[in-house]
Amino acid sequence: GAVVSQHPSRVICKSGTSVKIECRSLDFQATTMFWYRQFPKKSLMLMATSNEGSKATYEQGVEKDKFLINHASLTLSTLTVTSAHPEDSSFYICSARGGSQPQHFGDGTRLSIL
Amino acid sequence: KQEVTQIPAALSVPEGENLVLNCSFTDSAIYNLQWFRQDPGKGLTSLLLIQSSQREQTSGRLNASLDKSSGRSTLYIAASQPGDSATYLCAADSGAGSYQLTFGKGTKLSVIP
Repeated sequence: GAVVSQHPSRVICKSGTSVKIECRSLDFQATTMFWYRQFPKKSLMLMATSNEGSKATYEQGVEKDKFLINHASLTLSTLTVTSAHPEDSSFYICSARGGSQPQHFGDGTRLSIL
Repeated sequence: KQEVTQIPAALSVPEGENLVLNCSFTDSAIYNLQWFRQDPGKGLTSLLLIQSSQREQTSGRLNASLDKSSGRSTLYIAASQPGDSATYLCAADSGAGSYQLTFGKGTKLSVIP
């Protein structure tokens, strides 16, 4: 079946660091990728939707300058958390879809900012 | 704006029991309804996807139903096993070209051996 790979699975870094998370679709062309954030005991919150080759569409309340999204190819999207602070600590999950495929999810990235 | 609610928030059952998880959504104009499983610290595993034109889908011991008119879906798990312990999430796909999923908060299931 379709597989989405997300890397890294866990990041621990100091406040002020920028962190890049990669999301790859391994066996299908992902025309659309989604980035979610999940707080403990909460729903997954959609942060942004990105279509290959175009700018990402951010949900209300999500800072586009803080969370930079690039979807330069049909198999790769990246989320960069710029100048991360402790309040950015969370679980980030990507998903990808394309053609007749429904959304397939990565395994998530646990980000901890000290 | 679509809102998805899952009841109960947590459920504990003895091994072997059949159980039902509930999901309700406010906007019936959905493209499909999906059920996912999430293990602690992990991503999402898709369990069942019900298209808006369908009433139910089955996979092994899992059966999901959809009633668009009442805004409800249920996930039925037969003969539960300890390995079924996880958080189960339902999500409504709005379709309309965006394919955005709106998730419920999930039901945390514990199956006691």
